[in-house]
Order: sequence, then C-alpha cells, then structure tokens
Amino acid sequence: DIQMTQSPSTLSAIVGDRVTITCRASQSISNWLAWYQQIPGKAPKLLIYKASSLESGVPSRFSGGGSGTEFTLTISSLQPDDFATYYCQHYNSYSGTFGQGTRVEIK
Amino acid sequence: EVQLVESGGGLVQPGGSLRLSCAASGFTFSRYAMSWVRQAPGKGLEWVSGVSDTGRSTYSADSVKGRFTISRDNPKNTLFLQMNSLRAEDTAVYYCAKGGDAYSLGGHFDNWGQGTLVTVSS
Repeated sequence: DIQMTQSPSTLSAIVGDRVTITCRASQSISNWLAWYQQIPGKAPKLLIYKASSLESGVPSRFSGGGSGTEFTLTISSLQPDDFATYYCQHYNSYSGTFGQGTRVEIK
Repeated sequence: EVQLVESGGGLVQPGGSLRLSCAASGFTFSRYAMSWVRQAPGKGLEWVSGVSDTGRSTYSADSVKGRFTISRDNPKNTLFLQMNSLRAEDTAVYYCAKGGDAYSLGGHFDNWGQGTLVTVSS
C-alpha cells in the first residue's frame, strides 16, 4: 500500500507569511493528489486536485505543485481564515489514502 | 447547490451493527462515484469505502473489509454504509463524499457532508 507522509506536522506562522507544506508518497503516484483544508468541527474542503488544479471558488493564494513522489501546497500570503489543518490525499480507482495532516497555527 | 446529509449515527455496543445513510441532492447522483471517509476523535482522515457511479464496483480499506458494506440507491439518490461487528476503534465521525469527476471510479472528493458520529462503547 502507498503511504503518504506530510511535513511538518505543525507549522506556526503569522498573517502574511508564505507557507509551504510537503507531502511525500512512498512510491510514484503521478499527479493523483489532492489537498484539503479542515477547520475544527467542520467537514474537509477541497482546495487542489490533480496535484496543481485549483478547485473552483478557492482563493488564488493557494497553489499546488509536484509530481511522482513529492508534492507541495503553498499559501502565498496567509490569511486569518487559513489557520486550519491541511491534508493531502492520494487517490486512484479503488482507494484514497490521506496524509496525517499539517496543523497551521498562529505564531 | 450540492447537498450531502448523513444520518444513522449513534451509540452502539461492541459487536453491534449500524447503517448509515447519505441523502444527496443538487447534482445527478447516478453519474458520480461516492465514498465514506471517517475521522476518529482528535485524529486525521481515513478513507473507508468507495462505490462506483453504477454501484457495480465497491472497494474498502483493509481495516473494515469483511465488516462494512457500501451500497447506493440511485433512484433514491442515497448512499449507504452497513457496519457490522463494530469495534471501539470504529468510533469516529463518518462523512460521505462525492467524487469530483463524472463517470470516474474513485478520484478526489469535491463535496462532503457534515458528518454523523458513530460511538462504539459498552
């Protein structure tokens, strides 16, 4: 089974910071990767799919990159609404494996 | 507007059964794969089971294989998760999630329900 590992587990930042979260796959997954944002008590929200495609309605400060085994989620200028937990997910026709999550907290 | 509304959660004893439902609206349900994803208290997301648009193909995580069964009723726009032989470690909020691409098995999830809590405890 493919394992997804995110780093860091926790990230402390201030409003306006540029923030990057990394997700590594245990083997190549091409670009079959999504990123989600979850605010405590709420359902996850899709941000990015196919590694770099921005979901409709998601602010352009969010961007995704990478392919193969290493992927990134970048927030170009952190906003107050962005303090949340972020998950990467590898998906294929028969499963969907999530990373363990990265919590972005206020410094 | 896409809406996914889960129901059927609650408190159940170890070894018991529960059936979750997810009522879908705002899109052509029969064109999209659907999945269940769970989140144990204070923990991360775990994909549980997925079903193709037609319902003919289903897949489950090893942790629930043989105990949980996913199904769907396309005329009634409803997704189900039958959970048997429940264990304490199945305690979680269960979300239903819509596949992002029509006629595509699996894929990313572009819409989620609000979740229903399942607690397995004696």
